[in-house]
Amino acid sequence: NAGVTQTPKFQVLKTGQSMTLQCAQDMNHNSMYWYRQDPGMGLRLIYYSASEGTTDKGEVPNGYNVSRLNKREFSLRLESAAPSQTSVYFCASRMDSLNEKLFFGSGTQLSVL
Amino acid sequence: LAKTTQPISMDSYEGQEVNITCSHNNIATNDYITWYQQFPSQGPRFIIQGYKTKVTNEVASLFIPADRKSSTLSLPRVSLSDTAVYYCLVGDGLAGANNLFFGTGTRLTVIP
Repeated sequence: NAGVTQTPKFQVLKTGQSMTLQCAQDMNHNSMYWYRQDPGMGLRLIYYSASEGTTDKGEVPNGYNVSRLNKREFSLRLESAAPSQTSVYFCASRMDSLNEKLFFGSGTQLSVL
Repeated sequence: LAKTTQPISMDSYEGQEVNITCSHNNIATNDYITWYQQFPSQGPRFIIQGYKTKVTNEVASLFIPADRKSSTLSLPRVSLSDTAVYYCLVGDGLAGANNLFFGTGTRLTVIP
């Protein structure tokens, strides 16, 4: 049982390049989340998907787009990467009830030069 | 939104009990309080969750006063492996608890 799987684990981009971060969960969870974590900072919510077919903005959505491809997969796209997007990105999932705990992936470390 | 406030850092010696307090003055009636632990280069992982009074599991205890405006995570007899960042999270009941916010957390350092 893999839980939440993120790919890639590391990525270096040049300013202006685009890329997609992939996330998949095998726990049949309805809700999925993307967070970013800057050095020495807490996690900030970028986008979330409460259920398949829906997505909503979080605290810091600018510069990102998301796709809930199916129930298992939730991708995060940077259309034109900027140095300010250098961060560690975490995907998380949980069942859709109010107080279910989040399960996190191991993160993607992204550097934008 | 039910944001939280925690101490930025704490130090403790091995074997001591550690108490980390979180303030959440705007907690909503339906909100639960959840604590997560994060080691370097890993995603956070769930520790404990509660609504009121006291909750205990094999890892920690959570104390919540009657007004629920704060909570205290208690780690009994910490070891070096408990060195991590601890996050207090309160569900945003108004948004159906999907708009979840982490604060900056408390960096606990356990000293030999």
